[in-house]
Amino acid sequence: GAVVSQHPSWVICKSGTSVKIECRSLDFQATTMFWYRQFPKQSLMLMATSNEGSKATYEQGVEKDKFLINHASLTLSTLTVTSAHPEDSSFYICSAQTPNYGYTFGSGTRLTVV
Amino acid sequence: RKEVEQDPGPFNVPEGATVAFNCTYSNSASQSFFWYRQDCRKEPKLLMSVYSSGNEDGRFTAQLNRASQYISLLIRDSKLSDSATYLCVVNRSGFKTIFGAGTRLFVKA
Repeated sequence: GAVVSQHPSWVICKSGTSVKIECRSLDFQATTMFWYRQFPKQSLMLMATSNEGSKATYEQGVEKDKFLINHASLTLSTLTVTSAHPEDSSFYICSAQTPNYGYTFGSGTRLTVV
Repeated sequence: RKEVEQDPGPFNVPEGATVAFNCTYSNSASQSFFWYRQDCRKEPKLLMSVYSSGNEDGRFTAQLNRASQYISLLIRDSKLSDSATYLCVVNRSGFKTIFGAGTRLFVKA
């Protein structure tokens, strides 16, 4: 089945540094990927829609200069959290639409900013 | 008002019980509907799609009422392994997927 590989699965970084998270579709081409954030005991919140070869579409309230999204190929989308702060600590997860019009998720990245 | 709203839970039920979750959505242009299951600290996984005619998969039955903008999930004969958070998911135009806050289910022996 369609698989999305996400890494790292967890990362701890110092405040002020940047962290890159990668999502790769392994056996299908993903022209569109979605990035979500989930705080403890809350639901997934859509941050942005990543489109291959064009700019990402950000949801209201998400800073595009802080959360940089790059979707340079049909199988890879990256999310870079720039100048991370403790309040950015969260569970970040990507998803992609599969060829059969379902959605599959990456395994998520738990970011802790200290 | 949130675009997708669910029963807050948690639901605590004994093994073998039948439990029902409800979900409402506000965007009448919503196109497709799903129930996902999320275990603690894991990614959501598709449980089942929801069709207007209603659909069943083993112990799970999902129903959609477009007129009332209402989705339901029924779990019969609950198992301990059913303990998880159940997410109501709505797909609006442009393939944007909106998640409900989730309903936590605890099945006890």
